[in-house]
Amino acid sequence: GAVVSQHPSRVICKSGTSVKIECRSLDFQATTMFWYRQFPKQSLMLMATSNEGSKATYEQGVEKDKFLINHASLTLSTLTVTSAHPEDSSFYICSANPTGRYEQYFGPGTRLTVT
Amino acid sequence: GQQLNQSPQSMFIQEGEDVSMNCTSSSIFNTWLWYKQDPGEGPVLLIALYKAGELTSNGRLTAQFGITRKDSFLNISASIPSDVGIYFCAGFDMEYGNKLVFGAGTILRVKS
Repeated sequence: GAVVSQHPSRVICKSGTSVKIECRSLDFQATTMFWYRQFPKQSLMLMATSNEGSKATYEQGVEKDKFLINHASLTLSTLTVTSAHPEDSSFYICSANPTGRYEQYFGPGTRLTVT
Repeated sequence: GQQLNQSPQSMFIQEGEDVSMNCTSSSIFNTWLWYKQDPGEGPVLLIALYKAGELTSNGRLTAQFGITRKDSFLNISASIPSDVGIYFCAGFDMEYGNKLVFGAGTILRVKS
């Protein structure tokens, strides 16, 4: 149980285009999902907290107009990187915690490369 | 923001050896979690600890929630090559909302 999927696993896009990443909780409902960014050999950096039915909460320094988050249902959150630039290239990971529980379960990650 | 001090930063050990890593914090946490991340993958939850003093095992892994609620350790016994990866501790407390605070990670390499 507690499986989280992400799609796509890898994406290459051209500078200036937008990319959407999906995060799904497959066998549980998640009122809250989280989006992280991870640079090579570093820990996870929380970008935003995605709340079902309401606006996402962004961490300091993360541009909300750049990284659009939509939590449309209790099992799906999406992250859209708008007008992507090479510096947005990174490993993006989502997580979710089953409602009422503290532990977070992570998706397999999405490797974004912007050329 | 809040940070956890995780040590050691990396370890290179012989297959069969036991491994120990720990995390400390200046603040109290109500939950400690240990994750393992393989290259190019998302972290996988290994052990979750909910009570001060709690000692929990998962196969060859054992983790403890420190009695002061400011630290936790993870032990791996009889290491094998597939134990290679990055291990992260994470703390949770409602004082910080429902966000996890992560350690910097311990890189484990196993020599067979």
